[in-house]
Amino acid sequence: NAGVTQTPKFQVLKTGQSMTLQCAQDMNHNSMYWYRQDPGMGLRLIYYSASEGTTDKGEVPNGYNVSRLNKREFSLRLESAAPSQTSVYFCASSVRLASSYNEQFFGPGTRLTVL
Amino acid sequence: GDSVTQMEGPVTLSEEAFLTINCTYTATGYPSLFWYVQYPGEGLQLLLKATKADDKGSNKGFEATYRKETTSFHLEKGSVQVSDSAVYFCALSGAGGTSYGKLTFGQGTILTVHP
Repeated sequence: NAGVTQTPKFQVLKTGQSMTLQCAQDMNHNSMYWYRQDPGMGLRLIYYSASEGTTDKGEVPNGYNVSRLNKREFSLRLESAAPSQTSVYFCASSVRLASSYNEQFFGPGTRLTVL
Repeated sequence: GDSVTQMEGPVTLSEEAFLTINCTYTATGYPSLFWYVQYPGEGLQLLLKATKADDKGSNKGFEATYRKETTSFHLEKGSVQVSDSAVYFCALSGAGGTSYGKLTFGQGTILTVHP
């Protein structure tokens, strides 16, 4: 039982390049999330997927797109990377969104640097 | 909207010292409250949670009590160990409106424990 896995662990891009961050969970969770973590700012929600087939914007969606490929997988795409997107990206999952007991399980993160 | 404020860090303690990390929140209704911990190079792990007023969450010697009257959820541990060195995040899960079920994080507090 691997929990939440993310690939790659590290990535360096040049401004304007594109890339996709991959996330998968094996806990049969319905809801999945993408966050970015910046120093002194905690984690901020980029996009989330309440269930397979649905995606919604979070707090900081500009410059990103997502795909909920199936129940297990939720990818984050940067179409044209900018230095402001240098950050650590975390994927998370939970049993379901619509609960105030929303315990989320996190992946190990992807450290992205945009030059 | 919902918000979480943590005490400014970093916090540096000697082994066996008493730890308090303050956390206050602003939210509508009755959110659930969480403390997550992030060890170096890893993703976030749930440390403890409380889902209603006056609930006390506890785990690994850490405790926090949901105080609705002061909108606080301070983290405490009576005797810290070197292995407790990590970043600690306070978070809430919204109880209503567009924030329902989503996590809002504080900025994180870096704890370093010296032998």
